[in-house]
Amino acid sequence: RKEVEQDPGPFNVPEGATVAFNCTYSNSASQSFFWYRQDCRKEPKLLMSVYSSGNEDGRFTAQLNRASQYISLLIRDSKLSDSATYLCVVRRRNSGYSTLTFGKGTMLLVSP
Amino acid sequence: ETGVTQSPTHLIKTRGQQVTLRCSSQSGHNTVSWYQQALGQGPQFIFQYYREEENGRGNFPPRFSGLQFPNYSSELNVNALELDDSALYLCASSKASGGQETQYFGPGTRLLVL
Repeated sequence: RKEVEQDPGPFNVPEGATVAFNCTYSNSASQSFFWYRQDCRKEPKLLMSVYSSGNEDGRFTAQLNRASQYISLLIRDSKLSDSATYLCVVRRRNSGYSTLTFGKGTMLLVSP
Repeated sequence: ETGVTQSPTHLIKTRGQQVTLRCSSQSGHNTVSWYQQALGQGPQFIFQYYREEENGRGNFPPRFSGLQFPNYSSELNVNALELDDSALYLCASSKASGGQETQYFGPGTRLLVL
């Protein structure tokens, strides 16, 4: 089983739609959780951290359920510029260093 | 922009050759992590350097090696290239802070092995 699993999509939605992405992780020692955004042929960029209490940044809402080892990202009022691949990421502390483990990513295509 | 730079941007090599990729970290950052991203996959952790020492390694063979210099820039070396080494190689710099550091990615080097 992969340490971080995501539905690869693609999710095709019209502008203005609400779309939700889900992610599960298998290692209960994971300590921190993130969503990264990756545009085609570009590097990943941090979109937002994810907290158990849930957090919101404008049109984006992230949620973490530690008991179910489940992370979600909700995008409201989708824009054309939201088209990208969204990577679910967990961080785990090993002896002396921490590692980021990425899911395969979920592709979002927003159409006019 | 993140202030993390990588060179070269693109590279074509043949099987069996060796390659060196370079990364300059963001000012003030002392930790560099390297990742391999194959087509259609998420980035996979190769190793991490902190203050010129390798302090963590993912599931990659010894022909993947690295260095970190006193200015915290870093190199990734891959020997005996294989076709499956074709990928986007990303470096990320961070400032060690007890595991809470944010990693900032460079634009990557695209390596094609023929």
